[in-house]
Amino acid sequence: NAGVMQNPRHLVRRRGQEARLRCSPMKGHSHVYWYRQLPEEGLKFMVYLQKENIIDESGMPKERFSAEFPKEGPSILRIQQVVRGDSAAYFCASSPLAGQAVVEYFGPGTRLTVT
Amino acid sequence: DAKTTQPNSMESNEEEPVHLPCNHSTISGTDYIHWYRQLPSQGPEYVIHGLTSNVNNRMASLAIAEDRKSSTLILHRATLRDAAVYYCILPYSGGGADGLTFGKGTHLIIQP
Repeated sequence: NAGVMQNPRHLVRRRGQEARLRCSPMKGHSHVYWYRQLPEEGLKFMVYLQKENIIDESGMPKERFSAEFPKEGPSILRIQQVVRGDSAAYFCASSPLAGQAVVEYFGPGTRLTVT
Repeated sequence: DAKTTQPNSMESNEEEPVHLPCNHSTISGTDYIHWYRQLPSQGPEYVIHGLTSNVNNRMASLAIAEDRKSSTLILHRATLRDAAVYYCILPYSGGGADGLTFGKGTHLIIQP
């Protein structure tokens, strides 16, 4: 079974451009989570989505960031008007269910560099 | 998530067992204990999880104290590939966000 897929693996954007990060969950998984890891820092939860619904976006910056998980296709994390501080590794995880006993399976990440 | 406390770093020799401790004194009765690890330049990887009883899988063992206020991840025979940051996490505990809360973890260094 294929694991969680993320693309692109590396993305370079100039300040002010838009960045679109894609995440295809594992087959049969309808729960998706996005995390951000700034350089030399730990992973921080951003947003949790189920198919077509945002369940928890408490970790998402209020401006410029949005996420979706449509009925068909991958989950998308969109960053508008990127700034240098957005440079980070963005990881997506998926799970078949939600709850304390459920394991999250992570993708390899997208490394965003803003120049 | 309930707070967990781990040593910043640990060092071990290749082919020796490694015991990674985690304190979680505010754990509640329904909190599961999860361990993930992150190898350099990779995404986090699930290692093991448990509730009350000790658990074993192909990667590691998890020993949970009787009062559940601490646990130990055991790598029975460390290899160089086990060098990573190991995170002890209590998901969704305390009404926190629906995602995992990664602390600083323990940076495990394996000497050849």
